[in-house]
Amino acid sequence: EAGVTQSPTHLIKTRGQQATLRCSPISGHTSVYWYQQALGLGLQFLLWYDEGEERNRGNFPPRFSGRQFPNYSSELNVNALELEDSALYLCASSVEGADTQYFGPGTRLTVL
Amino acid sequence: GENVEQHPSTLSVQEGDSAVIKCTYSDSASNYFPWYKQELGKGPQLIIDIRSNVGEKKDQRIAVTLNKTAKHFSLHITETQPEDSAVYFCAGGGADGLTFGKGTHLIIQP
Repeated sequence: EAGVTQSPTHLIKTRGQQATLRCSPISGHTSVYWYQQALGLGLQFLLWYDEGEERNRGNFPPRFSGRQFPNYSSELNVNALELEDSALYLCASSVEGADTQYFGPGTRLTVL
Repeated sequence: GENVEQHPSTLSVQEGDSAVIKCTYSDSASNYFPWYKQELGKGPQLIIDIRSNVGEKKDQRIAVTLNKTAKHFSLHITETQPEDSAVYFCAGGGADGLTFGKGTHLIIQP
């Protein structure tokens, strides 16, 4: 069974640009979570989508947004990129109503 | 909201010795406590988890203990091997989401 997949693996942008990151959950999983992992800061919760709706949001500015598609894949958009947005962005998925989350390999975003 | 504290931030042990990583949480409503292992360049991998109705759980060389009264839980790795070198994260929460500790860098010395 395929795990959580994320694309691209690496993304390099300049300050002020927009970045789009993609995630495909494990088959049968309806919930998708996004986390930011900046150096030395652990995993910071960004967004949670389930059945196409945003269920919860972490303490991040509105320029971090996303959506979930009918096939449960998800997209994270970061507008007006800042240098401090450079981080590993991780996506996780779970079965609806379940507590166990399974992570993908991440997208390394570098903002120059 | 939930707050999870993890320590130590770095732990160096001799190969074959045991390693213990400890976490505390603040929200008494949390009922699920997973541990993840993250190797360099990879995403976190779930290695073991425990729910609030259980005090201890073992899986080969790995065990997790939970003390709900004191709001702390620990990861125990016995007979450590070089492949155990990684960053380990604890988390607490439930079906509404997880809060993660800041991670422990486990170094296995040959």
